[in-house]
Amino acid sequence: NAGVTQTPKFRVLKTGQSMTLLCAQDMNHEYMYWYRQDPGMGLRLIHYSVGEGTTAKGEVPDGYNVSRLKKQNFLLGLESAAPSQTSVYFCASSYSAGGGYEQYFGPGTRLTVT
Amino acid sequence: GESVGLHLPTLSVQEGDNSIINCAYSNSASDYFIWYKQESGKGPQFIIDIRSNMDKRQGQRVTVLLNKTVKHLSLQIAATQPGDSAVYFCAESSAGGTSYGKLTFGQGTILTVHP
Repeated sequence: NAGVTQTPKFRVLKTGQSMTLLCAQDMNHEYMYWYRQDPGMGLRLIHYSVGEGTTAKGEVPDGYNVSRLKKQNFLLGLESAAPSQTSVYFCASSYSAGGGYEQYFGPGTRLTVT
Repeated sequence: GESVGLHLPTLSVQEGDNSIINCAYSNSASDYFIWYKQESGKGPQFIIDIRSNMDKRQGQRVTVLLNKTVKHLSLQIAATQPGDSAVYFCAESSAGGTSYGKLTFGQGTILTVHP
């Protein structure tokens, strides 16, 4: 049981390039989330999904897109990377949101945009 | 709007002491609170949670206290060890409705334990 995994672990992009971050969970969780964490700050929600085929905007969605084609995977895309998107990105999943179930986090992807 | 904040950004303690990390929240509708520990280079790790119908919950060496009157949350760590050194985040959520379990995180407190 690997929990939540993220690929890649590190990436450097030039401004304007695109990339996709992959999140996978093997806990059969319904809910999945993408966060970004900037230095000295807590995590901010980018997008989330309440089930396969559904996505919704979080607190800071601009410049990102997501897809949840399979229950176990949640993809975060950057179509045209900007230096402001330099951050550490964390994916999380939870069994259900209504009962206050905890979110399990992946190890993170460190992205630098030059 | 919703916000969760911490009173102290850093906390230094000696090994064996008890640590108390504080957190204030502003959303009266929050009914679920959670503490995470984040070590350098890793993702947040669950420590303990509490629902709004409780004012205290204990785990292994940790206790969370909730004071809804003043919208205050605290994490107490007993007999703090060097391995407890990390950043600690509080987060809150409004379970149910259309919140979908979205967590709002505080800024974080850096706990440093000196041997």
